[in-house]
Amino acid sequence: VLTQSPTTMTASPGEKVTITCRSSSSVNHMHWYQQKPGASPKPWIYGTSKLASGVPDRFSGRGSGTSYSLTINTMEAEDAATYYCQQWNYPWTFGGGTKLELK
Amino acid sequence: EVQLVESGGGLVQPGRSLKLSCEASGYTFSYYGMAWVRQAPSKGLEWVASISTGGVSIYYRDSVKGRFTISRDNAKNTQYLQMDSLRSEDTATYYCARRGTGRGGDFDYWGQGVMVTVSS
Repeated sequence: VLTQSPTTMTASPGEKVTITCRSSSSVNHMHWYQQKPGASPKPWIYGTSKLASGVPDRFSGRGSGTSYSLTINTMEAEDAATYYCQQWNYPWTFGGGTKLELK
Repeated sequence: EVQLVESGGGLVQPGRSLKLSCEASGYTFSYYGMAWVRQAPSKGLEWVASISTGGVSIYYRDSVKGRFTISRDNAKNTQYLQMDSLRSEDTATYYCARRGTGRGGDFDYWGQGVMVTVSS
C-alpha cells in the first residue's frame, strides 16, 4: 500500500512544495505521474529521481526504502495538477494521489 | 511518434462482457511490456493488468483475477483486455500504457483512455 500526503494542498507561486509517498513495505524505486483534469497521466519522475522528458528541473525526486518524495523548488501555475506515486515492481500499486492547487 | 489508441468501451450490464483493444504505433511493439490502468470517476489510478513482451508473463490485480484476461498480438501491434463478469465497481476510464525499458519499468506512454460503464 502506498500512502501519499498531503491528499490536497495549495501553494503560492514561488513556494517550495513537497509531496510524500510512504510504502507499507520497502521498494527499490518509485515513479511519479502528473495528471491534469480530463487528461491522461504523464510520466513525471522515474526511478525515484530521474525527470521524464520535458519535465522542468524545478522538480526533483528522492527517497529509499519506504519513504519517497517529490519536490517542486518554486511553484508555478502550470504545476497545479494531481500527482501520483507508483511502486516500480509488482503489483505496480499507485498512491491515492495529491491534488496540488495554486493559491 | 508513439501513439496508443484504445477502443471498445461503452455501457454494459452487470455480469456481461466487454473487450478493450489498444493499438500501438510509432515504435516496435514487441519490444515493450504493456499494461492496463483504470480510473473510476473522480478517483485515483489503479493498476489492472500487465503483460510481458512475448505474452508469457502476465499479472493481474486481485479484484480482477479470474474475470479479466490481458493478451497481445505482436503482429497486429495490439493489446487487449477481455473483461467478463463485469461489476459496477469496474466502471472507470481504462488506459493502455507502455512499460518503459531501462528506466525501472515506469509507464512511459499512455493512451487517451476509454470509458467503461457497468450499469443496468
